[in-house]
Amino acid sequence: DVQMTQSPSYLAASPGESVSISCKASKSINTYLAWYQEKPGKTNKLLIYSGSTLQSGTPSRFSGSGSGTDFTLTIRSLEPEDFAVYYCQQHNEYPLTFGSGTKLEIK
Amino acid sequence: QVQLKESGPGLVQPSQTLSLTCTVSGFSLTSYNVHWVRQPPGKGLEWMGRMRYNGDTSYNSALKSRLSISRDTSKNQVFLKMNSLQTDDTGTYYCTREAGLGGAWYFDYWGQGVMVTVSS
Repeated sequence: DVQMTQSPSYLAASPGESVSISCKASKSINTYLAWYQEKPGKTNKLLIYSGSTLQSGTPSRFSGSGSGTDFTLTIRSLEPEDFAVYYCQQHNEYPLTFGSGTKLEIK
Repeated sequence: QVQLKESGPGLVQPSQTLSLTCTVSGFSLTSYNVHWVRQPPGKGLEWMGRMRYNGDTSYNSALKSRLSISRDTSKNQVFLKMNSLQTDDTGTYYCTREAGLGGAWYFDYWGQGVMVTVSS
């Protein structure tokens, strides 16, 4: 199985700042990486797939990059609604596997 | 609009069988794949298995011997059954819709999840 290592597990930032979250795969997954946002009381939201393609409705301040084993989710100019938990997921092969999550909190 | 909703017992005794239902609306089970994903408390997400649009199933090999996924298209429902439950099966269980049929393998809609506790 492809192991997904996400870091950091916790991140504190202020509105207006930019942050980056890393996701590393144990072997190449080409560009097949998705990012999700988890917020209390809401269903998980698909933000990005195939490494860098924004899902319809995802604000342009979100961006994804990377290929092979190293990927990054970047959020520019944080808005209050961005404080949440973020997960990566490889969609290159079965079994599909996820990172352990990054909790982004307000500093 | 697209919705998925999980339902089932909140408490299951060890060694018993878990039965969950995912009721979908806003799309057809014959046009989209539906997956089950679970999350133990404080841990990451684990893919469990999927029901394809054509009725085929596939499972995580780690769970395959205990897991069964089925559906009733007339009721827009997908079912999960997992036997021989243990305490480490405690967690939140989600059903999700796979984005499209072209081997997307990521999820554009999720249910709210149902919390299942395995305890005597």
